[in-house]
Amino acid sequence: TQLLEQSPQFLSIQEGENLTVYCNSSSVFSSLQWYRQEPGEGPVLLVTVVTGGEVKKLKRLTFQFGDARKDSSLHITAAQPGDTGLYLCAGVTGGGNKLTFGTGTQLKVEL
Amino acid sequence: KAGVTQTPRYLIKTRGQQVTLSCSPISGHRSVSWYQQTPGQGLQFLFEYFSETQRNKGNFPGRFSGRQFSNSRSEMNVSTLELGDSALYLCASSQGGADTQYFGPGTRLTVL
Repeated sequence: TQLLEQSPQFLSIQEGENLTVYCNSSSVFSSLQWYRQEPGEGPVLLVTVVTGGEVKKLKRLTFQFGDARKDSSLHITAAQPGDTGLYLCAGVTGGGNKLTFGTGTQLKVEL
Repeated sequence: KAGVTQTPRYLIKTRGQQVTLSCSPISGHRSVSWYQQTPGQGLQFLFEYFSETQRNKGNFPGRFSGRQFSNSRSEMNVSTLELGDSALYLCASSQGGADTQYFGPGTRLTVL
């Protein structure tokens, strides 16, 4: 069974702070995705990283895929209350659309 | 373009009953995947349907089943409900390959 462990599980910070969320696995994935989920809604895709060592930026969010394609990180600079939500990493393997989701990181950004 | 819709949004059932959930994918999408989300286990893959055929299956008991119709709409069925089946059931659609999946808002199932 492939497992994706995220850390930290919970994070409560003040507006303007920086933070990093980690997603680790013992398995290799063909690609890794990051989602954000808000209450009452389904997850929304933020980014897909495919190549080992790849770094992608989405405004204040920076995503990195590990060289061995087993881990990833999400860094948020100058967090805002609108960043509040559940952040999920998901690994993609093989064909089809089967996603293995991480354990999740609940982020709360306060004024 | 309308997003993924799921009906009903909320459902309350009792142990032993069965339930059917519905998912309408984005127009033109041929793949529909189902996931179960619980506080303890997180988001877990149930199964994926593509062109009316089950293409992938997760590690859930046979009480969980699904199907897809010719218009790509999908249903999932859970028979002999257990308390542990209480969860948010999410469906996601995509065009078909390993491309972006778009999630619906989910159906919140409570089993009493």
